[in-house]
Amino acid sequence: KAGVTQTPRYLIKTRGQQVTLSCSPISGHRSVSWYQQTPGQGLQFLFEYFSETQRNKGNFPGRFSGRQFSNSRSEMNVSTLELGDSALYLCASSSSSGRSSTDTQYFGPGTRLTVL
Amino acid sequence: EDKVVQSPLSLVVHEGDTVTLNCSYEVTNFRSLLWYKQEKKAPTFLFMLTSSGIEKKSGRLSSILDKKELSSILNITATQTGDSAIYLCAVGAAGGTSYGKLTFGQGTILTVHP
Repeated sequence: KAGVTQTPRYLIKTRGQQVTLSCSPISGHRSVSWYQQTPGQGLQFLFEYFSETQRNKGNFPGRFSGRQFSNSRSEMNVSTLELGDSALYLCASSSSSGRSSTDTQYFGPGTRLTVL
Repeated sequence: EDKVVQSPLSLVVHEGDTVTLNCSYEVTNFRSLLWYKQEKKAPTFLFMLTSSGIEKKSGRLSSILDKKELSSILNITATQTGDSAIYLCAVGAAGGTSYGKLTFGQGTILTVHP
């Protein structure tokens, strides 16, 4: 099976712009989680989608949003970019069912976002 | 708030050494503890532990969970330069507010010199 894929791999934006990142999960996986990784804060949970519904959200401002499509692909959007949004954005997929909470998550290669 | 702490934060060893990485957690409704290895970009899955006292092994790597002590260790024997990476510990919890969420520790940076 193909692994989790993320596009683009690298992005450079300026403050105030917005950005959309894409994630395709492992075939058959319906749960997609997004994380932000920075040297200072480590990996922090952004949100999780299952069957096109956001089931959980971390402590990030409303500028961070996402969605999931019927084929389980997911996108996350960051509006009004700030310098502090520079990070590696990772998505992970799992075969978590509707009644399950957390199962093994498999990560994509990430999108490196630099905000100038 | 859920919390995961790893120690040491960094470790430098020589090839052939054995290392032990530690992970402790404070999580409401604990469900699972996972270890990942991160080299360049994507964390790659190593182990998932749910039951106390049962060792998981894969080659030179092994891990065990102690639910009484709220901790886990990851052992790497006969280290090789290819083991140089960041090792991440993460914990999953049960319940609706935990869906899809893993809480990660800061990671242990392991450097193996030839």
